[in-house]
Amino acid sequence: AQKITQTQPGMFVQEKEAVTLDCTYDTSDQSYGLFWYKQPSSGEMIFLIYQGSYDEQNATEGRYSLNFQKARKSANLVISASQLGDSAMYFCAMRGATGSARQLTFGSGTQLTVLP
Amino acid sequence: EAGVAQSPRYKIIEKRQSVAFWCNPISGHATLYWYQQILGQGPKLLIQFQNNGVVDDSQLPKDRFSAERLKGVDSTLKIQPAKLEDSAVYLCASSFRDPLDEQFFGPGTRLTVL
Repeated sequence: AQKITQTQPGMFVQEKEAVTLDCTYDTSDQSYGLFWYKQPSSGEMIFLIYQGSYDEQNATEGRYSLNFQKARKSANLVISASQLGDSAMYFCAMRGATGSARQLTFGSGTQLTVLP
Repeated sequence: EAGVAQSPRYKIIEKRQSVAFWCNPISGHATLYWYQQILGQGPKLLIQFQNNGVVDDSQLPKDRFSAERLKGVDSTLKIQPAKLEDSAVYLCASSFRDPLDEQFFGPGTRLTVL
């Protein structure tokens, strides 16, 4: 079984500063994918960034980057130059390659608040 | 391109009543998912359809929950009878073909059971 752990229920960051949201995972699969989603108060899950287990470089998408440390089984999300619109719930998720592990498994989320 | 549509957005019912949610996926997406998101938790997969067939319903409480996707396009999730612990947001998502494709989520239906 695969598991995602997000240990920060809430985080605060000053506007224009960078923030790191923590995510650790556990899986027996050798091939897997790691995702980060943003969920604003409107409820929709918005895909942010993806990292494959065999990708040698950390994924980046605009102001989002994923700090992937395979040996430590961590996949932290870094948001640079925070904006007020970044205030939302952030979920880390993973997907394995075989059987039921192919389904997305989500962590419990981190509520990020960007302060003006 | 239109996104995943869901209705209603909000629903309040008494326990033991029944309720139904509707989802219309992105056009051309063969795979449709229903997730349950309890407050303070991440979404949990209830059921996955590939076209009009069920791929995975291992976490669906089948004594009270049912879902169908008769024509392989839109889908309905039903709860009968509802319990207090069913209060949650029900998210629908779709992907082009299988779980390895990116999933696009709808806005969700927030259910409150009193």
